[in-house]
Amino acid sequence: GAVVSQHPSRVICKSGTSVKIECRSLDFQATTMFWYRQFPKQSLMLMATSNEGSKATYEQGVEKDKFLINHASLTLSTLTVTSAHPEDSSFYICSARPPRDTDTQYFGPGTRLTVL
Amino acid sequence: AQTVTQSQPEMSVQEAETVTLSCTYDTSESDYYLFWYKQPPSRQMILVIRQEAYKQQNATENRFSVNFQKAAKSFSLKISDSQLGDAAMYFCAYRILYSGGGADGLTFGKGTHLIIQP
Repeated sequence: GAVVSQHPSRVICKSGTSVKIECRSLDFQATTMFWYRQFPKQSLMLMATSNEGSKATYEQGVEKDKFLINHASLTLSTLTVTSAHPEDSSFYICSARPPRDTDTQYFGPGTRLTVL
Repeated sequence: AQTVTQSQPEMSVQEAETVTLSCTYDTSESDYYLFWYKQPPSRQMILVIRQEAYKQQNATENRFSVNFQKAAKSFSLKISDSQLGDAAMYFCAYRILYSGGGADGLTFGKGTHLIIQP
C-alpha cells in the first residue's frame, strides 16, 4: 500500500518559536495532501487542503497566517506553525491522495507538538 | 455543512463476539463516500472499510461489514469474531465525491473507543 511519512514524530518548542512539520508521500505522487489536527481523546479536524503548485485551502476558523502550508513538490507538503503558543500543542496528521486513486487518502503517522 | 455523529464514546465486547458501532451523518449531497477508520494506540490511521453512497450493496471486508441506510443517513460497522487486535478508537468519516478541486477532506465523527475483553 501507499506510504506517507511525517517528520518529526515529536517536537517540543518554546512559546513564540516556529515549527515546521513535513509530510512526504514515499511511493506515489500526491497532487493533494490534507492536514488534520487531533486534540487529546478527540476527533480529527480538517485544517486545510494542500494542492501542489497552488495556495492551500483553509477550513473556516483556521488562521492561514498561523498555519503556513507549502506544497512545493508532488511528494512533499509542509505545515509551519508560526509563533507557536501552548494552545497550539496538539497531534498533527497529514494525509495524501494519489492522483489515480481519488477515493482513498493515506495517512501519515502524525506529529506530536508540545509548546512550552 | 456535513456532520458525523458517533453516539457511543466507548463499547466493550468479549473476544470472539460480535459488536456493532453506530454512526449517523447529515448531508445535503446525494453522492459521497463513507469510511470507517481505526486508530490504535500508535495513532496511525488505518482504513477499515469504505462505502460509496451510490452503491446499495453493503461493503464487507473479511470480519468487518457495514449496514448502510442511505435514507436514514446511518452507517454502522459490524465487527464479527472480535479479536484483541481490534481494540482501538474507531472513527466514522464522510467525504463528498471527488470534486476535482481538491476540496474533499474528510469529516470525522468523535470516535468510539472499542475495548476487547479477553
